[in-house]
Amino acid sequence: GAVVSQHPSWVICKSGTSVKIECRSLDFQATTMFWYRQFPKQSLMLMATSNEGSKATYEQGVEKDKFLINHASLTLSTLTVTSAHPEDSSFYICSARDRTGGSLRDTEAFFGQGTRLTVV
Amino acid sequence: LAKTTQPISMDSYEGQEVNITCSHNNIATNDYITWYQQFPSQGPRFIIQGYKTKVTNEVASLFIPADRKSSTLSLPRVSLSDTAVYYCLVAWFAGTASKLTFGTGTRLQVTL
Repeated sequence: GAVVSQHPSWVICKSGTSVKIECRSLDFQATTMFWYRQFPKQSLMLMATSNEGSKATYEQGVEKDKFLINHASLTLSTLTVTSAHPEDSSFYICSARDRTGGSLRDTEAFFGQGTRLTVV
Repeated sequence: LAKTTQPISMDSYEGQEVNITCSHNNIATNDYITWYQQFPSQGPRFIIQGYKTKVTNEVASLFIPADRKSSTLSLPRVSLSDTAVYYCLVAWFAGTASKLTFGTGTRLQVTL
């Protein structure tokens, strides 16, 4: 299957600093990417949807100024957690869909391995 | 979006067949049913996908009745390594506005 890679796998940062998480589709063009947040023992919560070349669509309750999403190319989307605080500590996961053609890939979403963010 | 309902947790012994049912009463005509597996601190992994009837691959089977209001993921002869959370998603993957929203998932615990 297709591969989605996230970087870094884990990061520890000081409160008040910003952290950037990268999500790359390695062998396909991801016209749509999703960013999720997952707290311990809970399900994945969709934060935002980004389409290449346009602004991200944020879910209700997600601060767009705090969680900056950039999807500048067909293989890369970034999530920047600005002025991070301990309550932002969570597991962040990206997902990508291949919308450029092909039968199976049109109906499947591929997930990165996740990024564990700890804000101290 | 079609909302999904799954059992919160299930227990099984190694070697048994496990069936996890997901209800999606409001499934739309264009929606596919997809199941993902997630281990702790990892991203979800695709297991199987179907639209109707039965789909089988090397790791699981997916049974979908004619009305498509539910689906059952069947894992044959589970092992300890199948202990994970299983999510049922219903979405029109090809739709440009389609969002992938996760429900609570089913936490499967396999023991000896």
